[in-house]
Amino acid sequence: QKEVEQNSGPLSVPEGAIASLNCTYSDRVSQSFFWYRQYSGKSPELIMSIYSNGDKEDGRFTAQLNKASQYVSLLIRDSQPSDSATYLCAANSGGGADGLTFGKGTHLIIQP
Amino acid sequence: GAVVSQHPSWVICKSGTSVKIECRSLDFQATTMFWYRQFPKQSLMLMATSNEGSKATYEQGVEKDKFLINHASLTLSTLTVTSAHPEDSSFYICSVPARVGETQYFGPGTRLLVL
Repeated sequence: QKEVEQNSGPLSVPEGAIASLNCTYSDRVSQSFFWYRQYSGKSPELIMSIYSNGDKEDGRFTAQLNKASQYVSLLIRDSQPSDSATYLCAANSGGGADGLTFGKGTHLIIQP
Repeated sequence: GAVVSQHPSWVICKSGTSVKIECRSLDFQATTMFWYRQFPKQSLMLMATSNEGSKATYEQGVEKDKFLINHASLTLSTLTVTSAHPEDSSFYICSVPARVGETQYFGPGTRLLVL
């Protein structure tokens, strides 16, 4: 059974600091990994996707993937109050044919 | 702009009635769409894969006769919750995979409340 694990938090980070979000997955077949941000009452919006080992940077966001450790992380630099949300880690087996398996999400709070 | 739309955005119905939710891909054709369900303070759970021109594929534990899926065209999938009960109250979200790569774009969701 595919599982994606996240610490539910809440994770509290001061404004301007780096927020670090972590995720592990159980299915070694998984090839594609995603971080989504979800505000209360809204649907998820894509933040980052990562497919190969290493780091991928996009603006203030950096995703990291380590397939050997089955570990995915998201770093948010210069955290802003508007970054306060639930961050969902998701995995699929690649190719777009499979739906996503989501973690329960980490609730991030950026303190002004 | 929005890539995926859903209608209605919210619905309140009486127990025993059926509710239809539409999911439309606005930017590209989609032979596959996905339906998820999210209960309060829980994560998204994949319910089924909607396939254009063929039967939907349901995840374990999801009743195919209760949650009817029709993928009528390359831009439209519908989910019908038949004989809805209060335990079906949830946030129903569809997604569409991008043409290139595996990224999925989510619709805005439909909040269902069954009284």
